[in-house]
Amino acid sequence: GDSVTQMEGPVTLSEEAFLTINCTYTATGYPSLFWYVQYPGEGLQLLLKATKADDKGSNKGFEATYRKETTSFHLEKGSVQVSDSAVYFCALSKIYNFNKFYFGSGTKLNVKP
Amino acid sequence: DAMVIQNPRYQVTQFGKPVTLSCSQTLNHNVMYWYQQKSSQAPKLLFHYYDKDFNNEADTPDNFQSRRPNTSFCFLDIRSPGLGDAAMYLCATSRDNSGRAPSTDTQYFGPGTRLTVL
Repeated sequence: GDSVTQMEGPVTLSEEAFLTINCTYTATGYPSLFWYVQYPGEGLQLLLKATKADDKGSNKGFEATYRKETTSFHLEKGSVQVSDSAVYFCALSKIYNFNKFYFGSGTKLNVKP
Repeated sequence: DAMVIQNPRYQVTQFGKPVTLSCSQTLNHNVMYWYQQKSSQAPKLLFHYYDKDFNNEADTPDNFQSRRPNTSFCFLDIRSPGLGDAAMYLCATSRDNSGRAPSTDTQYFGPGTRLTVL
């Protein structure tokens, strides 16, 4: 079945360090891929998305490229800030299945000053 | 701004005392979802409404019910909360027109309701 595997956290970085959070997926058909961010005590906010192979989603300095050949959607940021500390969820959905989401387990990012 | 609103943000109830959480949306989306999220875990889908059609996930306990009186509102009822039901409850919306425009593959989440069971 469809699923998402995400690197386990927590990930602890110093401010201005490079961030990579790995995400791989298993899916039939042509899913859309997402990264959501969740700050403490809050709901999930869409960070970026990509709907087809080789698409790159980007927002607030974060990027992820939909790689069909490696079934991956790794999240990257060149220089993290303390304010990026949050939990990041990778997810996939398919538009013909009521947009049901399959979430990864989440990766907690701690950025230290 | 169009958005998903959840009330209350924090809810405290007693063991076994029914509780209702509410969600409203101004996005005019036809699909609404309820998720349960426990600490350090991914959100778990409880059920969703596709227009007026209710769809339960197979492993959602009978203790959880939902109502959707109109497009904008959706309620989560927990008939007899147990200690294990303490969690964050997230509402989300999406537009699914079976591939016809305008569909969106994105879910938009509310801020959540943190439920405490004493």
